[in-house]
Amino acid sequence: GAVVSQHPSRVICKSGTSVKIECRSLDFQATTMFWYRQFPKQSLMLMATSNEGSKATYEQGVEKDKFLINHASLTLSTLTVTSAHPEDSSFYICSARGLADGELFFGEGSRLTVL
Amino acid sequence: AQSVTQLGSHVSVSEGALVLLRCNYSSSVPPYLFWYVQYPNQGLQLLLKYTTGATLVKGINGFEAEFKKSETSFHLTKPSAHMSDAAEYFCAVSPTGGFKTIFGAGTRLFVKA
Repeated sequence: GAVVSQHPSRVICKSGTSVKIECRSLDFQATTMFWYRQFPKQSLMLMATSNEGSKATYEQGVEKDKFLINHASLTLSTLTVTSAHPEDSSFYICSARGLADGELFFGEGSRLTVL
Repeated sequence: AQSVTQLGSHVSVSEGALVLLRCNYSSSVPPYLFWYVQYPNQGLQLLLKYTTGATLVKGINGFEAEFKKSETSFHLTKPSAHMSDAAEYFCAVSPTGGFKTIFGAGTRLFVKA
């Protein structure tokens, strides 16, 4: 199956700094990628849809200026958490949609801890 | 509008016992249905999917699920649980040809020795 790689898997940062998380589709071109946030023992919350070459579409309640998404190529989308605060600590997961039937291919996830 | 309901946030079975994880959905159009598994601190991995055709679908690791339109259900089963099956399982629905995938709340499966 298709492979999506996410980096870094873990990151610890100080409050007020910015953190960038990368999501790459390794063996297929993904015009659309999705970014999720997952709190402990909860389901995935869709944050935004990342579209190659255009602006991301954010879900209601997600701050665009806090969570910057860039999809500059068909194989790479990035999520930057700006001016991170402890409440931004979470598990962030990206996915890319397959062409045929809506199957999603997920990255390994990135655990962000903001001190 | 679409939604997914997973009955039971936690399910505990003994090793070798039947696994049954329940999923009901609502969809105004024919749905594509998925089961994903998540191990701790990892992304999600597809177990199986239903799009069209045979309503009983088989997936990886011995799991299978049956699409029952009349019951709007897509329950996940495995005849004999293994310790390695302990994980979080998510049922998901996406409309035919549609874009967004809606996830259920997840069911954590515990397997006792």
